[in-house]
Amino acid sequence: DIQMTQSPSSVSASIGDRVTISCRASQDVGIWVAWYQQKPGKAPTLLIYAGSTLQSGVPSRFSGSGSGTEFTLTVSSLQPEDLGTYYCLQANTFPRFSFGPGTKVDI
Amino acid sequence: EVQLVQSGAEVKEPGESLKISCKVSGDSFTKYWIAWVRQTPGKGLEWMGFIFPADSETKYNPPFRGRVTFSVDGSDSTAYLQWSTLQMSDTAVYFCTRRGPNGWYGDWGQGTLITVSS
Repeated sequence: DIQMTQSPSSVSASIGDRVTISCRASQDVGIWVAWYQQKPGKAPTLLIYAGSTLQSGVPSRFSGSGSGTEFTLTVSSLQPEDLGTYYCLQANTFPRFSFGPGTKVDI
Repeated sequence: EVQLVQSGAEVKEPGESLKISCKVSGDSFTKYWIAWVRQTPGKGLEWMGFIFPADSETKYNPPFRGRVTFSVDGSDSTAYLQWSTLQMSDTAVYFCTRRGPNGWYGDWGQGTLITVSS
């Protein structure tokens, strides 16, 4: 099975900061990676899919990059509503999708 | 707008059975795969598997095969997740999610908290 790791596990940043979260896959997953944001008590929200495509309705301060085994989510200017936990998901091996452990972002 | 509305929280004892639901509205129910995701404090988010509502084809992620059953009722646009024998380790929040036109899972239910305790 494909294992996903994320770093850092948590980050504390200020409003307006640039925040970068990394995700590594244990084997090549092409561009079959998505990024989700989850706020406490809520369902995950899709931010980025296919490695770098912004989901409709998601602010343009979010961006994704990478392919193969290394992926990055960047928030260009952190806003108060961006607090939460961010997860990468690999969707390369149907039906064995798998999430990373998450990165908690504190403001 | 697609909406997925899940059934409410449940408290059960080990050994009991349970069926929770996920009702889809706002789009053709049979068009796209529906998936189930488990969330626990210890293991985080885990993708359980998929069901295709048009023909009830199921695909289980191996850790969940044999432990749960996916089903649908097309007449009611509802997907179900079922356990025949609950264990304390099944305590978790369960989400349903649906594949969208872009091929990715962007529509989610609000989650159902299942607590299994003696």
